Amino acid sequence: DTGVSQNPRHKITKRGQNVTFRCDPISEHNRLYWYRQTLGQGPEFLTYFQNEAQLEKSRLLSDRFSAERPKGSFSTLEIQRTEQGDSAMYLCASSPTLGYTFGSGTRLTVV
Amino acid sequence: LAKTTQPISMDSYEGQEVNITCSHNNIATNDYITWYQQFPSQGPRFIIQGYKTKVTNEVASLFIPADRKSSTLSLPRVSLSDTAVYYCLVGDVGSARQLTFGSGTQLTVLP
Repeated sequence: DTGVSQNPRHKITKRGQNVTFRCDPISEHNRLYWYRQTLGQGPEFLTYFQNEAQLEKSRLLSDRFSAERPKGSFSTLEIQRTEQGDSAMYLCASSPTLGYTFGSGTRLTVV
Repeated sequence: LAKTTQPISMDSYEGQEVNITCSHNNIATNDYITWYQQFPSQGPRFIIQGYKTKVTNEVASLFIPADRKSSTLSLPRVSLSDTAVYYCLVGDVGSARQLTFGSGTQLTVLP
């Protein structure tokens, strides 16, 4: 088990383009979380999956953001029509019942 | 979700013991106290978790007074590689509740 894997590690995109990130959680972890972190701030919660069901979404998750976790395994986070304010580190975490393991994140830069 | 307050930054020298205090006046009965460490361009990493009194692992100790309104993370004999941001979080780990991070404490270990 290699931990939580996120791809890509870095993404540079032009404003208005769509981007998609992938998270592969630790095997058999039924909970998966997405967080966003901007420079100098702690991570902020975006959304949470229990198996394949998306159970909670933050108000930070505008309608340009969508997340999926088909079959309760890997998850994708898509941002449509990116804006400069979307530039941040996007972190994925997975959890069995207690404790969270974070991935190394995807750093998005919107130019 | 209980709010936490911790110092923005701390400096220390190699080999010294470092104590980072976090206040959480509104902690609830079911809440645990958890500390995470984060290096640049990496996701947060779990350090230690406790409910009351003292918890010790191979990395750190966590001291929690009887009223549980504060906690202190103790790092023995720090090295340069302990330079990181340390986050104190409070929450009911038995629930699927998302983590709420503050801005953390930037610890800088000097040679």
